[in-house]
Amino acid sequence: GENVEQHPSTLSVQEGDSAVIKCTYSDSASNYFPWYKQELGKRPQLIIDIRSNVGEKKDQRIAVTLNKTAKHFSLHITETQPEDSAVYFCAASKGILGTYKYIFGTGTRLKVLA
Amino acid sequence: NAGVTQTPKFHILKTGQSMTLQCAQDMNHGYLSWYRQDPGMGLRRIHYSVAAGITDKGEVPDGYNVSRSNTEDFPLRLESAAPSQTSVYFCASSFYRQASGGNTIYFGEGSWLTVV
Repeated sequence: GENVEQHPSTLSVQEGDSAVIKCTYSDSASNYFPWYKQELGKRPQLIIDIRSNVGEKKDQRIAVTLNKTAKHFSLHITETQPEDSAVYFCAASKGILGTYKYIFGTGTRLKVLA
Repeated sequence: NAGVTQTPKFHILKTGQSMTLQCAQDMNHGYLSWYRQDPGMGLRRIHYSVAAGITDKGEVPDGYNVSRSNTEDFPLRLESAAPSQTSVYFCASSFYRQASGGNTIYFGEGSWLTVV
């Protein structure tokens, strides 16, 4: 069936270093790839997203890259700070509202060490 | 504008009991859904609704029922709770963002449910 694989499951980095989280999707019809951040005890919240016709998108310290041929996309966080510590989820989606399907990865717990 | 509101936030239930998780939204979004979150499993959709009067099964619907009588409310009912339903439940609305070209999910604050 359709799935999204996310790696690594946990990631520890020193403050100021970069962090990279990778996801691979199986459904080649997927056309929208959002990333959600979930702080401890809180709800997941959208932090960045990318469409299938875009290869890279950047928003301050975070960026997402997409390789449609290989069916994988990645989240890059530069100059990490303690407040970046959270669980990050990738997702792959397709279709229009009402019939769309959203498949989440299993999450990556990022720890930024001060 | 509260967004998506869930109640209760925490609840302990005995095996075989029934209960309803409440979800209310004030953003006038047509699309509402319920997700469960389990360690190592990510977020999995239980049921969803595209409009009042219309509901459909998600990827993990067994043991749950939903109804949608109006735009605002989307309750999730567990008829006979089982320990396997111990989880964190999120109600979510979804809307299409023209700027991003995709459907953004807006989650409620979550309901922590333990079945003993």
